[in-house]
Amino acid sequence: GAVVSQHPSWVICKSGTSVKIECRSLDFQATTMFWYRQFPKQSLMLMATSNEGSKATYEQGVEKDKFLINHASLTLSTLTVTSAHPEDSSFYICSARDRGLPYEQYFGPGTRLTVT
Amino acid sequence: AQKVTQAQTEISVVEKEDVTLDCVYETRDTTYYLFWYKQPPSGELVFLIRRNSFDEQNEISGRYSWNFQKSTSSFNFTITASQVVDSAVYFCALSGLTISNSGYALNFGKGTSLLVTP
Repeated sequence: GAVVSQHPSWVICKSGTSVKIECRSLDFQATTMFWYRQFPKQSLMLMATSNEGSKATYEQGVEKDKFLINHASLTLSTLTVTSAHPEDSSFYICSARDRGLPYEQYFGPGTRLTVT
Repeated sequence: AQKVTQAQTEISVVEKEDVTLDCVYETRDTTYYLFWYKQPPSGELVFLIRRNSFDEQNEISGRYSWNFQKSTSSFNFTITASQVVDSAVYFCALSGLTISNSGYALNFGKGTSLLVTP
């Protein structure tokens, strides 16, 4: 079956530093990857859509300069949280859409970010 | 605009009871997909089902069953003979174009936290 990995699974960083999260599709090509954020006891909210070879598209209210997304290949998208602050502490989940199957999405296991 | 409503925030049942989780959705799309996911405490989303808008057949998978009714825009999920391992947060989601129009992200409901006690 289709597998999506995320690395790291959890990370603790100090306020003001940057953190990079990787999302990989292991056995399929993903032209589109999505990044979601989930605060404790809340739902998943879409942050941005990442398309291979082009700039990411961000949802309203998501700061482009703070959450840098790069989709350099058909199997890898990265989310960099720049100048992280405690309010960025959250669970970040990516999903990858199988090329040619628009309604098939596979979720990664998530990355728990804690900013101290 | 798309919207998914899960009115039940928390449900608590005793093991072996049946429980139904409600999901009501709104969309203007004629073609769309509905999903249910389970999220245990570990956080990883577990895919349960996907249903397209043209298929209103109900589905049963073991103790799980789903009732899709386009007339009421509902896609309810029933667990029969619940077990302690069913305790988790369950999300209903709807696929469609994102606000930014770049395609097919999922819009999630707020989730229903199910607690099954022995």
